Amino acid sequence: KAGVTQTPRYLIKTRGQQVTLSCSPISGHRSVSWYQQTPGQGLQFLFEYFSETQRNKGNFPGRFSGRQFSNSRSEMNVSTLELGDSALYLCASRDGSGELGYTFGSGTRLTVV
Amino acid sequence: GDSVTQMEGPVTLSEEAFLTINCTYTATGYPSLFWYVQYPGEGLQLLLKATKADDKGSNKGFEATYRKETTSFHLEKGSVQVSDSAVYFCALSDQGYNTDKLIFGTGTRLQVFP
Repeated sequence: KAGVTQTPRYLIKTRGQQVTLSCSPISGHRSVSWYQQTPGQGLQFLFEYFSETQRNKGNFPGRFSGRQFSNSRSEMNVSTLELGDSALYLCASRDGSGELGYTFGSGTRLTVV
Repeated sequence: GDSVTQMEGPVTLSEEAFLTINCTYTATGYPSLFWYVQYPGEGLQLLLKATKADDKGSNKGFEATYRKETTSFHLEKGSVQVSDSAVYFCALSDQGYNTDKLIFGTGTRLQVFP
């Protein structure tokens, strides 16, 4: 069974640009969450989607947005990039029962220059 | 709000030493508790979990017991290996196990030398 797939693995963008990150959850998982990991702030929750609906949102500015498609694949978008947006962005998926907890992908490392 | 506090790292041990990584939490409800491990260049892997007070989670020789009276979930292993070198994160979910949001501690780096 394939795991959570995040693309791309690495990304370099210039300040002011926008970026879209992609996450394909484990087949059958309908819940997808996104987290930002930085050395200074650690792991912080961005948002969670279930069946194409955003169910929960973390304390991030409106520049951070996401969506989920009918096949459960999810994307997150960051507009008007700032240097502080440089981070590892992790996606996680979970099945309906939650019995096995969240499975995380390997992440997308975004560097803003 | 809910929070998780972990001991500062790095924790440096020799192979076969006993490991303890302390984790305490603050939560208004009845959280489920987790330990995740992150190896270099990878995402997080669920190591073990506990969903209610006095539950003991265990996996790959690691154990942690949900202590409601001390709001703690310390990670232990009797004999560490070099391959256990990684960053360990304690986390909680504040709506029970079937929840949508994890709150993480800052992580503790473990370094095991032969």
